[in-house]
Amino acid sequence: DAKTTQPNSMESNEEEPVHLPCNHSTISGTDYIHWYRQLPSQGPEYVIHGLTSNVNNRMASLAIAEDRKSSTLILHRATLRDAAVYYCILRDGDVNDMRFGAGTRLTVKP
Amino acid sequence: DTEVTQTPKHLVMGMTNKKSLKCEQHMGHRAMYWYKQKAKKPPELMFVYSYEKLSINESVPSRFSPECPNSSLLNLHLHALQPEDSALYLCASSQLRGDPYNEQFFGPGTRLTVL
Repeated sequence: DAKTTQPNSMESNEEEPVHLPCNHSTISGTDYIHWYRQLPSQGPEYVIHGLTSNVNNRMASLAIAEDRKSSTLILHRATLRDAAVYYCILRDGDVNDMRFGAGTRLTVKP
Repeated sequence: DTEVTQTPKHLVMGMTNKKSLKCEQHMGHRAMYWYKQKAKKPPELMFVYSYEKLSINESVPSRFSPECPNSSLLNLHLHALQPEDSALYLCASSQLRGDPYNEQFFGPGTRLTVL
C-alpha cells in the first residue's frame, strides 16, 4: 500500500488559515487522496478527496502537487471546532479498504 | 439520513461475559466495516462486509465474531475478551466496497472496557 507521511501535530490561531501537509511519494496513478478528520470523542468524518486537480467544498480545499507526491488540506478560517486529528489516506480503485496513518493533531488557539 | 448509529455508547464487561455491539445504517450502503481504535492511535480495520458477506478479516482473534444479518445491520459479538481489547469500536459504511470515489460514514463508536 502506498503510504502517507504527516506531521504529528500543528497549531493554529482561530480565524486564520491552516495548511495541513501530506507527503505520498509512492502514490500510484489510480490512488485517490482522501482526508478525514476525527473530532474529540467522535468517529472520523470525511472532509474532502481528489485525484489530480485541486478541489473545494464547504469544509475545506485540497491542493494537489503537479507530480501528486504531496497534497495540502487547507482550512480557510480555523475555528475552535476544527481542533481534531486529520488523516490523509490514499485509496485506490482496486481495494476500497481504508488504512489510517498516524494523522496530524491540529490545535486551534483562541 | 446520512447517519450510522451504534449501540451501546459505553460497555463494561468481564472477561467471561458475552456481549454484542450493534451498528445500523439506512443509506442503502452495501459495504460495512468494523474498526478498533486504541487511545491516541488511529483506527485499525478489523472486518469488511460487502453485500452481507465477510470480505476481509484482518487476522482478528476469534473472540471477536462479526455478523451481518441484513444490509442495514452489522453486529460484533464479543466473548472471552481480554483487558487489552478495551478500545473504541467504530462502525462505518460506504456505498460499495472497491469504490474510491465515495466516502465512508462512521458511527460515534462504542467505548468498551474489559475488566
